Amino acid sequence: LAKTTQPISMDSYEGQEVNITCSHNNIATNDYITWYQQFPSQGPRFIIQGYKTKVTNEVASLFIPADRKSSTLSLPRVSLSDTAVYYCLVGDLILTGGGNKLTFGTGTQLKVEL
Amino acid sequence: IAGITQAPTSQILAAGRRMTLRCTQDMRHNAMYWYRQDLGLGLRLIHYSNTAGTTGKGEVPDGYSVSRANTDDFPLTLASAVPSQTSVYFCASSDSGRGSEAFFGQGTRLTVV
Repeated sequence: LAKTTQPISMDSYEGQEVNITCSHNNIATNDYITWYQQFPSQGPRFIIQGYKTKVTNEVASLFIPADRKSSTLSLPRVSLSDTAVYYCLVGDLILTGGGNKLTFGTGTQLKVEL
Repeated sequence: IAGITQAPTSQILAAGRRMTLRCTQDMRHNAMYWYRQDLGLGLRLIHYSNTAGTTGKGEVPDGYSVSRANTDDFPLTLASAVPSQTSVYFCASSDSGRGSEAFFGQGTRLTVV
């Protein structure tokens, strides 16, 4: 599975837009890019997923350049409740001949303040 | 509400004891996973299962075993617990299709003393 690199931590203020970039230089053709959010004492929760260009849902947007070697999670107008760890995952749940794996890194700790 | 359930929520266990962490999902997902989460190390995959009857090793499988007798259940067993297995354990499940998202349980906090 492709290795990902993302900032360890980020700080922001309420109402600002937050962009978290993830690098994945060896992404494979079949790989998807998926972001999860984790609050303290809870399991991770799916936020958004994309393959190329831009994906938007009610929570966030995901920007993926043409070479797909990086991706940016964009959180519009964050609030205190967005304080969490955000994980970038790259891979395909279906690995031909290899089985299913879903591997997380250490994530980005986002802290939102007033 | 459909989802994934883990039990127990927390446990203090004496070293050397055997312990099984339970995980049940009612979403009929083919794939299931066990992770451990330790401070500063993120989530690390212990074992996974593509479908009932099959299992595979993740990043940190030593000291753990799993079974997948049916679609819904994926128990994780520590045959002889050691203090280094003190951690928060998360179970997850997902469809097998491309681009599927994973759903996580609330976690089991295990302390081995």
